[in-house]
Amino acid sequence: DVKVTQSSRYLVKRTGEKVFLECVQDMDHENMFWYRQDPGLGLRLIYFSYDVKMKEKGDIPEGYSVSREKKERFSLILESASTNQTSMYLCASILGSRDNEQFFGPGTRLTVL
Amino acid sequence: ILNVEQSPQSLHVQEGDSTNFTCSFPSSNFYALHWYRWETAKSPEALFVMTLNGDEKKKGRISATLNTKEGYSYLYIKGSQPEDSATYLCAFISGTASKLTFGTGTRLQVTL
Repeated sequence: DVKVTQSSRYLVKRTGEKVFLECVQDMDHENMFWYRQDPGLGLRLIYFSYDVKMKEKGDIPEGYSVSREKKERFSLILESASTNQTSMYLCASILGSRDNEQFFGPGTRLTVL
Repeated sequence: ILNVEQSPQSLHVQEGDSTNFTCSFPSSNFYALHWYRWETAKSPEALFVMTLNGDEKKKGRISATLNTKEGYSYLYIKGSQPEDSATYLCAFISGTASKLTFGTGTRLQVTL
């Protein structure tokens, strides 16, 4: 079974802190994604990566950056956390073609105080 | 940003009822439509990936249809059970895109 893991299920940070959210997948998938989920807004894409060291902005990249140094790991970075980044963050990966399903991690619920 | 809409937003049915939800998406430049089920405290899981107009897919009591010409997909659940309680998400990929655009989901609650 494909497994996508995220470093924390719950995280509480203070405004201005630098925050790292880690995602690891164990099935050699090329493509990885970071989404955030907010009530009434659905899953919105922050960034994605289709290969090591490659990244592309999604629909809402402002205030975020990403890092993909190894194929299995995709990190989301909040350089200076703000209260409007309080959200549920989901990582996903997909093997190759867009026809294939995405595999999701369990999510990290981040609260910024 | 592409517009993907799901209706209803939420639904409350009794065990044994059959139900269906709708996902609407742009009818031009279609590539694929995904359906996911997201149970509370779990990861979203794929139900179906649909690519052809007229596609019908089935997994147990859950089935889905696709109409790319008019831009909609229906998800049906026959004989709902409490374990079907979840948020059902659809996601659209256009011909030129490399990413999914998700709808806001339909939240289903099935009670005894």
